Amino acid sequence: AQSVSQHNHHVILSEAASLELGCNYSYGGTVNLFWYVQYPGQHLQLLLKYFSGDPLVKGIKGFEAEFIKSKFSFNLRKPSVQWSDTAEYFCAGGSEGDDKIIFGKGTRLHILP
Amino acid sequence: DAGVTQSPTHLIKTRGQQVTLRCSPKSGHDTVSWYQQALGQGPQFIFQYYEEEERQRGNFPDRFSGHQFPNYSSELNVNALLLGDSALYLCASSLALAGLTDTQYFGPGTRLTVL
Repeated sequence: AQSVSQHNHHVILSEAASLELGCNYSYGGTVNLFWYVQYPGQHLQLLLKYFSGDPLVKGIKGFEAEFIKSKFSFNLRKPSVQWSDTAEYFCAGGSEGDDKIIFGKGTRLHILP
Repeated sequence: DAGVTQSPTHLIKTRGQQVTLRCSPKSGHDTVSWYQQALGQGPQFIFQYYEEEERQRGNFPDRFSGHQFPNYSSELNVNALLLGDSALYLCASSLALAGLTDTQYFGPGTRLTVL
């Protein structure tokens, strides 16, 4: 069955620390992958997406993610976090030709000032 | 450019009642997807509407039904409410031609509480 799993449910970092949030997927065939973010009191919004091409994807606000097919992973990274990155982050995936997107359970990121 | 809007913002119902939630897609979008987000969980896909028809459905019972109107807006109906239906219901819109590679834009959600 198709699934997306996020390893960390709650992460606490200090400002300027580096960030890596794990995401693994279980899909057959061509896969499309996303990271969404939900800032406190705001809507879900897209950070970045991968559907083909360069496996290193750059998104908004300095975030990037790397698609590693052999590891079924799509980890989110940021070299230096800011207090304003405090939010909940969701990894999501879908199969090519299937408009259903499956979300992971989310990771709450808390940045200490 | 109006984004995705949903109404109402909050709703309180009792078990066994029926509820209707509404969604207006982002301007220019023709596809609406509905998600249920329980506390502490990621959004779960309920179904998707395009050209006024249900195009895809997730693992939800028939108590969950929907509708899409000619202006692309959509309704989610839930019958015979259960306590477990308490959740944030999210609507997302996109452009069908772009397929999954297009960005889904999410609304603020409707918080449903079933007592």
